[in-house]
Amino acid sequence: DTGVSQDPRHKITKRGQNVTFRCDPISEHNRLYWYRQTLGQGPEFLTYFQNEAQLEKSRLLSDRFSAERPKGSFSTLEIQRTEQGDSAMYLCASSLPSGVFAGNTIYFGEGSWLTVV
Amino acid sequence: AQTVTQSQPEMSVQEAETVTLSCTYDTSESDYYLFWYKQPPSRQMILVIRQEAYKQQNATENRFSVNFQKAAKSFSLKISDSQLGDAAMYFCAYLWGGATNKLIFGTGTLLAVQP
Repeated sequence: DTGVSQDPRHKITKRGQNVTFRCDPISEHNRLYWYRQTLGQGPEFLTYFQNEAQLEKSRLLSDRFSAERPKGSFSTLEIQRTEQGDSAMYLCASSLPSGVFAGNTIYFGEGSWLTVV
Repeated sequence: AQTVTQSQPEMSVQEAETVTLSCTYDTSESDYYLFWYKQPPSRQMILVIRQEAYKQQNATENRFSVNFQKAAKSFSLKISDSQLGDAAMYFCAYLWGGATNKLIFGTGTLLAVQP
């Protein structure tokens, strides 16, 4: 088990460009989460999938953001027309089907750093 | 709305000593869960310890223990026999026991361990 994997780890892009991040959860984890973390702040929830269904979205997820999990395995987070305010670390996490309530842990990846210049 | 507050941006402890990190939270719910996560310089968030609100007994995990005061909405983390590897950012987090899977994090406490 290699843990939650995220790619790329770092991305520098010009304002207005589109970027896409990929997350590969731990195998057999059907729940997948995206969080955003800016410097000096704790992670903020963006969205959550159970299998391929996107069940919850934060108000932070503007129309420029779209997340998918087409086959219930890996997920992508795309940001269109990036703005400087999008600069942050994007964290992916996964957990077993019972989520945290049955004692299962939410496992985080190492994150994807985005810098918009 | 639920909030999590960590009032100590930075803390320092001598190796082998004990340190306590503070966390308070605000919620009107009775069924919830609290967590401490550690984020080392490699940036991968690791669960340190968790506490179910319905349990009166404080959780412990080896050198890590919590002081859970439900009425005061306080959830502090005690690290005993501090080690150099404990140096990291520590986040307190809250999860409602309802349908949501949304963790709410505090702003973190940066712990330095002095040799």
